Amino acid sequence: QKEVEQNSGPLSVPEGAIASLNCTYSDRGSQSFFWYRQYSGKSPELIMFIYSNGDKEDGRFTAQLNKASQYVSLLIRDSQPSDSATYLCAVNGRSGYALNFGKGTSLLVTP
Amino acid sequence: GAVVSQHPSWVICKSGTSVKIECRSLDFQATTMFWYRQFPKQSLMLMATSNEGSKATYEQGVEKDKFLINHASLTLSTLTVTSAHPEDSSFYICSARDLEGVDYEQYFGPGTRLTVT
Repeated sequence: QKEVEQNSGPLSVPEGAIASLNCTYSDRGSQSFFWYRQYSGKSPELIMFIYSNGDKEDGRFTAQLNKASQYVSLLIRDSQPSDSATYLCAVNGRSGYALNFGKGTSLLVTP
Repeated sequence: GAVVSQHPSWVICKSGTSVKIECRSLDFQATTMFWYRQFPKQSLMLMATSNEGSKATYEQGVEKDKFLINHASLTLSTLTVTSAHPEDSSFYICSARDLEGVDYEQYFGPGTRLTVT
């Protein structure tokens, strides 16, 4: 089983700060990388995807990918209390388009 | 954006009975759908990959005779939990890949919470 590792947290940041979420993966053959946000009792919603080394920005979110280090991160700028959720890192898995999820990092943004 | 629905959103059943969960892509065609299971405080675990018109591919450790998957059309996949037991209580989530979308686009349904008593 290919592994996707995340720090479970909770990661606590004050409102307005930058939240940094990290993820490592074991399968060097992985091509696509995703960050999902999941609120308690709800299904995941896609925040960003990235498949090239470097940074990708979308609004307050920046995804960073380093394939050599097998590392992907998500930065959330100007964090808001509504960003409080569990963030799941996912990579494309053995079944082609199926996703292999990490256990998620719980983020708490305090007012 | 693309919408995936699941029905029911929650279900309670008695041990030994069977439960069917439907996953529908509402505004796109999906040749491939995925079924995940999530236990409390755990991540999503892929159970099986469902391809329209062919047999599902199950992940290691998932009993294909217990979790029956049917993908009869490009917009509907069903998961039937047969002879359910309390340990099958979980949050079941499907996702669908758009036939005409880019490779990475996958849309999740809202999930079905199953409680077996």
